[in-house]
Formats: sequence, structure tokens, C-alpha cells
Amino acid sequence: ETGVTQSPTHLIKTRGQQVTLRCSSQSGHNTVSWYQQALGQGPQFIFQYYREEENGRGNFPPRFSGLQFPNYSSELNVNALELDDSALYLCASSFRGKTYEQYFGPGTRLTVT
Amino acid sequence: KQEVTQIPAALSVPEGENLVLNCSFTDSAIYNLQWFRQDPGKGLTSLLLIQSSQREQTSGRLNASLDKSSGRSTLYIAASQPGDSATYLCAVGLDNNAGNMLTFGGGTRLMVKP
Repeated sequence: ETGVTQSPTHLIKTRGQQVTLRCSSQSGHNTVSWYQQALGQGPQFIFQYYREEENGRGNFPPRFSGLQFPNYSSELNVNALELDDSALYLCASSFRGKTYEQYFGPGTRLTVT
Repeated sequence: KQEVTQIPAALSVPEGENLVLNCSFTDSAIYNLQWFRQDPGKGLTSLLLIQSSQREQTSGRLNASLDKSSGRSTLYIAASQPGDSATYLCAVGLDNNAGNMLTFGGGTRLMVKP
């Protein structure tokens, strides 16, 4: 069974640029969630996708957007990057069903300069 | 709005000690609660999942309890080892009929000294 994978591992961008982060869900999972974790803090929920549609969103502006593909892989896109967007971005997959246990990937470390 | 608090923020103990990490949440209408471990700069590893109808879960040296009515969960680690050094995160899940969204606490940073 393949776990959750994310790419790239690290990324450095300049303020104002756009970035795309990628996630491959664990085999058999149909729901993907994205979280932002600033240094020294707990992760914060960005949004969740199920059947290729966004079905829940945290307190993040519209410049954070996403996609889920038929094979349940996912992308997180961030436009007009700001310095405060520097964080570890975590992807989690789960199976929408009885337990909803979430399994996290290793994360992408984004640095905005 | 759900808020999750973890106490203490940091803990340093000698090897072999039994310890308890605390998690409290403000809204008892939760779907489940998960405890995670995070090593520096890494992703989250799920340790234990407790459904809202359950009182506790055990895995090896770990035991997690849940008291929904009081908004509390504890993670008990028996016979701590240096390899247990990591940040432990508590997260409560809310099911709004659209999925399970986790609200995290700030974590407890644990150091187990040999």
C-alpha cells in the first residue's frame, strides 16, 4: 500500500509569484485535505476535496485554490505569494466512510522571499 | 469556533518515566479525535484515532482517552524512550456532512533524555 506523497520537498519563491504543490493520495482514499503549518504552530485547515469538488474550506483567502483529479491526486495553488505564506504545506488523505482517519504526507516546505 | 489547547507546550523527562500529555477542546460536538507525532521538519504520523463514541484507544505503550462532555483527551506514554522525542499534536475532527476537517492544538514538544 502506497502512502501519501508530496512534491516538491522544498520550494523557494519570490513575493508576488504563483506556486503549485502536488499530492498523491494513499491508495483507496477518495478525500484529500490540505493544511498549512507555520513554524512552531499546529497545522491549519485550508480546504478539502471529495469527488473532485471542494467541500469544506478554512479561513484562507481565494488566492488559495485547489484541484482533485479522477485518480484522487491533488494540487494546491497559491497566487500572489506573500511572505506569511512561508510554511510547511501538508496534504492528508482519507476514505470518506466510517472512521475518516487522516494520513499525512511528508509536506512541502515553501519559503517566500 | 472550535479551539484546541495542548498543555504543556514543552516537556523534558528522563528515560523510563511515564508521562501524560493533555488536550482540551471547546466544542464537544466532535466526530473523532486523533493524536499525531511529528518529527522536526517532517509530516505527521497518526498514533491513535478515537471515535466520538469511544472512551479510549491503546497501541503498544500509548493509551489515549477521550471525555467528550468535559472537552478533554489525554495521551499516556508508558516507559518513555529517547526515540519518543518529538512534537505530539492533538486534532479534533468535525464532520459537517461534507467530510472530516481537523482542528489542531499547538502541540507538546517532548524531549526524553537518556
